[in-house]
Amino acid sequence: GAGVSQTPSNKVTEKGKYVELRCDPISGHTALYWYRQSLGQGPEFLIYFQGTGAADDSGLPNDRFFAVRPEGSVSTLKIQRTERGDSAVYLCASGTRNTGELFFGEGSRLTVL
Amino acid sequence: AQSVTQPDIHITVSEGASLELRCNYSYGATPYLFWYVQSPGQGLQLLLKYFSGDTLVQGIKGFEAEFKRSQSSFNLRKPSVHWSDAAEYFCAVATRGFGNEKLTFGTGTRLTIIP
Repeated sequence: GAGVSQTPSNKVTEKGKYVELRCDPISGHTALYWYRQSLGQGPEFLIYFQGTGAADDSGLPNDRFFAVRPEGSVSTLKIQRTERGDSAVYLCASGTRNTGELFFGEGSRLTVL
Repeated sequence: AQSVTQPDIHITVSEGASLELRCNYSYGATPYLFWYVQSPGQGLQLLLKYFSGDTLVQGIKGFEAEFKRSQSSFNLRKPSVHWSDAAEYFCAVATRGFGNEKLTFGTGTRLTIIP
């Protein structure tokens, strides 16, 4: 597609379950970012990939969160043992190096009951 | 670490009136500055950005912003708003680096337009 695609758009899960969120970036974009947006807040940085490697994962809140991008395109954000505080919209963005513009997907809304 | 403050949580303006959304940043050097807009059910869209040079930058949809180093501000303006401008607006700052435009966002300003 033309834009950044994120699936699922909505995910409801129970506390303690495992969740995967997928991001399909714009073709050719080498940079990929994950952000988390809680209600009434601005997006918060989680992790940045340049190609296949995580160049900066300083925003991941704890070791229950992990992200991969094995072939330098699609990325998956994985959350283990989900907690109610993980409920948020998870945003993915892609871009090209040093252009200064990120293209955001519509997000995956995660609700942990 | 850098930070962004958007002091106005919610602003209401009449259609056709002028608009100014405030943004203050904290960063040790000259930053990259951005304004993004988020409409319901849509992803964040870049309105404009400042890297260097002319401190008055023009963006899409008739928006502009002015970088004022002395005030650490990057306020967004529009001379005449349209009903379609109702949305959430986020100011963001990025560290200058080589390829990592990691953004720090403000908490946003929700804009309501009344007829």
